[in-house]
Order: sequence, then structure tokens, then C-alpha cells
Amino acid sequence: GAGVSQSPSNKVTEKGKDVELRCDPISGHTALYWYRQRLGQGLEFLIYFQGNSAPDKSGLPSDRFSAERTGESVSTLTIQRTQQEDSAVYLCASSPTQTSRGGYTFGSGTRLTVV
Amino acid sequence: AQTVTQSQPEMSVQEAETVTLSCTYDTSESDYYLFWYKQPPSRQMILVIRQEAYKQQNATENRFSVNFQKAAKSFSLKISDSQLGDAAMYFCAYRSLFFDDMRFGAGTRLTVKP
Repeated sequence: GAGVSQSPSNKVTEKGKDVELRCDPISGHTALYWYRQRLGQGLEFLIYFQGNSAPDKSGLPSDRFSAERTGESVSTLTIQRTQQEDSAVYLCASSPTQTSRGGYTFGSGTRLTVV
Repeated sequence: AQTVTQSQPEMSVQEAETVTLSCTYDTSESDYYLFWYKQPPSRQMILVIRQEAYKQQNATENRFSVNFQKAAKSFSLKISDSQLGDAAMYFCAYRSLFFDDMRFGAGTRLTVKP
């Protein structure tokens, strides 16, 4: 696609429910990144993919968080048994390769609200 | 680990005036990339300008320029002739050549007064 697409744009869920957040990167971008942005704060790195592989999962805040990527395209971030502290904007970004010098292209994010 | 610090949570500028946003970072690497991103209320992160550490010349993109001081590990953003559309959160970011994620500062909220 022309840009990085994320869905849903907004999600309200009840505490304890599972949610899936989707990211569709720019076509041909092999590197894909997930960040969390709490209200009024900077971006917290969660995980990145090179192709379908996620070499570093250490940024995931707990074992309730998982992510996968299939076909070197769409990625899904899943949060199980959501907690109120999970409320944040989840941003996805992609770049042509891991070492792209042009920076990342970001999506508009998913705002998750846990009530 | 690399850290990025933005010491100004908020800044304001009069329309048509110039404003400088500060950023410092900590690294032991000699080559890396630095970026400034703009985040308007739409949440979209927009790349404003980037700098490669091995280049001594400061990057410029229209009204946006940086003052890159490698020895001081400082990377400030200057916005000239500020416009109402420049109002946003601005994030400074560091990217290593060897590690796989981009590190962001906490951001500076810029207000432009008409």
C-alpha cells in the first residue's frame, strides 16, 4: 500500500478481554516495528520483525503481549487479559530494511482504551 | 544503552518567529543516525529531518534545520518562520547502525501563537 495502515483506529475493551491490533506495512518493506505511546509520553519500543522473524522480543512488557507477522506483510499485536495500564496508542512502523537510512514510516496508530 | 533526552516538555513561539528545540543523547558509537519527528493530533509520526553522524554538515529541509554537535552529543532543531501548522509534538530519535530499534525522547509540545 501507499502507507502504513493500522486497524482499528480506536478500540475500547473491557478489562480482562483479549485484543488484536493489526498493521499493514508499506509493500516491500521487510522491517516492521511496534511501539507503545502512553498519554503524553514518548515511544516505547516493543518488538521488531525482519521478514517474518522477530529476533528481539525483550521489549514486550509482559507475557500477555505477543506479535506475529506472516508473509512478510501484515503483523498482528495481541494483548491477552487486558489491564487498564495497557491503555495507550500502539504505533506500527516499517522500513525497507533493518538498516534503512531514511528512518521509519509510521501508521496513525491504534488508540486502545481498557475500561 | 542509548538514551535520548529532550529537556523542554513544552515550548511556544509566535507565528513567523524562530524557535529551537533541544535534544541530547548518550552513545558510545561513532556512527549513527539522528531524526526529528513531528506528531500532530492525528497521531501520524512525520519525519521532519535526519542527520547522519559521519556528516559534519548540518541537515536542512526548507524552514527546518539542525545544529548537530557530535562531541557534545547535541542535536537541536531550529524552525524558522514558524507557521500555525507547525504546532505539534516533536520527538528526537536515535538509530544505531547495529541495533534494531529507534530510541525516542519524551517529546516537546510546540505551540504556535497567531
